[in-house]
Amino acid sequence: AQSVSQHNHHVILSEAASLELGCNYSYGGTVNLFWYVQYPGQHLQLLLKYFSGDPLVKGIKGFEAEFIKSKFSFNLRKPSVQWSDTAEYFCAVNAQAAGNKLTFGGGTRVLVKP
Amino acid sequence: GAGVSQSPRYKVAKRGQDVALRCDPISGHVSLFWYQQALGQGPEFLTYFQNEAQLDKSGLPSDRFFAERPEGSVSTLKIQRTQQEDSAVYLCASSLGSRVYEQYFGPGTRLTVT
Repeated sequence: AQSVSQHNHHVILSEAASLELGCNYSYGGTVNLFWYVQYPGQHLQLLLKYFSGDPLVKGIKGFEAEFIKSKFSFNLRKPSVQWSDTAEYFCAVNAQAAGNKLTFGGGTRVLVKP
Repeated sequence: GAGVSQSPRYKVAKRGQDVALRCDPISGHVSLFWYQQALGQGPEFLTYFQNEAQLDKSGLPSDRFFAERPEGSVSTLKIQRTQQEDSAVYLCASSLGSRVYEQYFGPGTRLTVT
């Protein structure tokens, strides 16, 4: 069965620091990749998505992610975080051959100190 | 409405009681998903509908869990004879038919079984 791993459970950093969250998946076929964000007290929101084409994907609020097929990875980055980026971040994978469901990683809680 | 709505937002049930959780998808979204999110974990797939047809129920943990979407719009997730291990946030997501795996989530229903 496919699985998604997020390496860091908690990340604490200061404003203006750079952020990189790791995501690896275990599926060799065609995949669609997503990052979702959940701000405190809010529901899951789609941050960015990759279906095909340019492996460097830009999303909302200055976030980007890079798909590296050979490493089965889809890491999320932001060059300079803000206090408002405090949230929980989830990586999700759709393996096309397994149907339309999403398989999520365990999430990474990010705390940005002002 | 503009987004996916779920009701109730919070539900406390005594062990053995039956519960029903409702989801109103985004208007025009033919696909509807239910996920279960245990504390500290990522969402896990339960079941998927395309219009009124339940096309995948492989994630339902037991025969106590039942979902329906009789008119292809609103969906209800029913849990019979609730157990403490059913305590979780139940998330509903919907998507367009053309990009069924690009899912938009509701706020969830937090179920606590005492």
